[in-house]
Order: sequence, then structure tokens, then C-alpha cells
Amino acid sequence: AQSVTQPDIHITVSEGASLELRCNYSYGATPYLFWYVQSPGQGLQLLLKYFSGDTLVQGIKGFEAEFKRSQSSFNLRKPSVHWSDAAEYFCAVGALTGNQFYFGTGTSLTVIP
Amino acid sequence: DVKVTQSSRYLVKRTGEKVFLECVQDMDHENMFWYRQDPGLGLRLIYFSYDVKMKEKGDIPEGYSVSREKKERFSLILESASTNQTSMYLCASSWGQGDTQYFGPGTRLLVL
Repeated sequence: AQSVTQPDIHITVSEGASLELRCNYSYGATPYLFWYVQSPGQGLQLLLKYFSGDTLVQGIKGFEAEFKRSQSSFNLRKPSVHWSDAAEYFCAVGALTGNQFYFGTGTSLTVIP
Repeated sequence: DVKVTQSSRYLVKRTGEKVFLECVQDMDHENMFWYRQDPGLGLRLIYFSYDVKMKEKGDIPEGYSVSREKKERFSLILESASTNQTSMYLCASSWGQGDTQYFGPGTRLLVL
């Protein structure tokens, strides 16, 4: 069965430190891969997506993610975190057939001044 | 930019009331989705629609119904609201299968 795993429920980093949020997926073929961010009380905003091609994708707000087929991973990174990055982050997988879309359970990011 | 709007940001209803949540998208997307989001449970799909008047059950359809009479509008209906339907409701739309989903701001529903 298809699934998305975000192993870290909560992460705390200091402002200016680097960040990596982990995401692993289980799917029979290469799916579409996404990262979304959700600020408190808001909807989800797309940060970046991978469909094909270059496995390192750049997104908004200085985020990037790398697709590693051998590890079935799509980890999100940012070299220097800002206090405004504190939010909930969701990894998602889009299935190419069946109109399916799977979300991870999210990682909550706290940024310490 | 894609815009997905939801009719209310906050709603307070009483047990047994019929509740309508409206969602409108302006990008001519084929697919529209309703999710609920609860702490510790992530996003759970209630229903989705891949065309006008077409709908498919998601993971948790019980207690909900939907309506899609026009392509841009997708309504979620709680026939008889219950306290366990207190939640954040998120609407989304997309072009194609597995494609990027664009979300509305959410409706926080409290059922008393």
C-alpha cells in the first residue's frame, strides 16, 4: 500500500541553523512528490514539487528538497532557518493513477531566537 | 495564481444542525477535494470529485455528503452535525491525477 512517513513529529532549531525534514514514501513507481507548509490556522501552501528530471528541486522561501530513488526519500532542507519558518510541514505523494494523493502526518517546526 | 476560497473561516453550530461548507476555485480544475484535519491525525480525505456531478468517497465519508453542480464549486454537507465533527476542514483542487493540490484557507467548525 502507498504511504508517506515523516518520522519526526516535532523539531526545534535555533534561528540561523540549518534544517532538514525527513520524508520517506512507499509506492510502486516514481510518484509526484510535494512539500507543503501550514502556518497556524491557515491552509496548506505549496513549497516545492518534484515530477521528473533534476532530483534537487528549489522551492519558495529558500527551501530545497532532494529526491533519492534508492532511499525512497524526499527530504526538505534549508541552510539558514528564520523565525518565520515556524510552522507545520507536510510531505505528500501523488499517485499517477487513481487520482490518489497521500499526506504524511506532518512535522511541527519550532524556531528558537 | 490559483485561488481556492472557502465560505467561512469559523463556524459554530449545534448538534443536529445541517451544515454546508462551500468551496470555490477559479482555475477550471477538474478535481476537488475535502479533507478534515485533526491534531495527531494529519489530513484525512472525506470526499473528492473528478468532474461535475461526480464524486468518490475518501477515507472517512461517514456522516458527510458532497455536491458538485458546477465545476468551480464543491460543497461539503453535514446532514446532522455531531460533536465529533468538530474539526478543521480544508478544501483543495487540482488539474489532474496526482497533481499539485491547491488549498483554501480552511474552515474551523465547532459543533456544540
